[in-house]
Amino acid sequence: QITLKESGPTLVKPTQTLTLTCTFSGFSLSTSGVGVGWIRQPPGKALEWLAIISWDDNKRYSPSLKSRLTITKDTSKNQVVLTMTNMDPVDTATYYCAHEIYDSAFDFWGQGTMVTVSS
Amino acid sequence: DIQMTQSPSTLSASVGDRVTITCRASQSISNWLAWYQQKPGKAPNILIYKASSLESGVPSRFSGSGSGTEFTLTISSLQPDDFATYYCQQYNSYSTFGQGTKVESK
Repeated sequence: QITLKESGPTLVKPTQTLTLTCTFSGFSLSTSGVGVGWIRQPPGKALEWLAIISWDDNKRYSPSLKSRLTITKDTSKNQVVLTMTNMDPVDTATYYCAHEIYDSAFDFWGQGTMVTVSS
Repeated sequence: DIQMTQSPSTLSASVGDRVTITCRASQSISNWLAWYQQKPGKAPNILIYKASSLESGVPSRFSGSGSGTEFTLTISSLQPDDFATYYCQQYNSYSTFGQGTKVESK
């Protein structure tokens, strides 16, 4: 059964870099067609797609956030890492990672991790 | 960027009602559209993918239709467990979510 879990700091200061880790089980990111993405949701607001990395190391980023995001994978550890630079209070949100296959919709999601940006 | 516009933002309905939510894309996305249900404090749960394909385990009262730029999610007979917020997502070009539709009790 597929599970994903996000981990990282709950509080970061403005201008700092956020590093989030998605640890998953039940699938391999070396399997053809598999991808893991990141999505965030500010309190009381809508979902926002951030980035995705595929089994073949193809990476795609939200055009509006591309300059601040980096996504990487460690297949041996079953982890995907998202870094976001120059954090701002508007980046306060719950950050989710999710599984997808063959560039389709996200069929399995982590529980999310809340990140607050404040000095 | 492809923009996704959902309507209405809020919908008041009663158990047993037929409910329809609309999602419009700013350009054609073929049928690369998904619908999710989200309850407070929980991660979204996929309902529909490829515009009209029902995800395994999702009740058949949920259905999706549309292609190109206009899509709908229909709940044929609203159940108590269905009061939630619903999001559409396009995955034709990168990915974008709609702003959500909250289904509340009338």
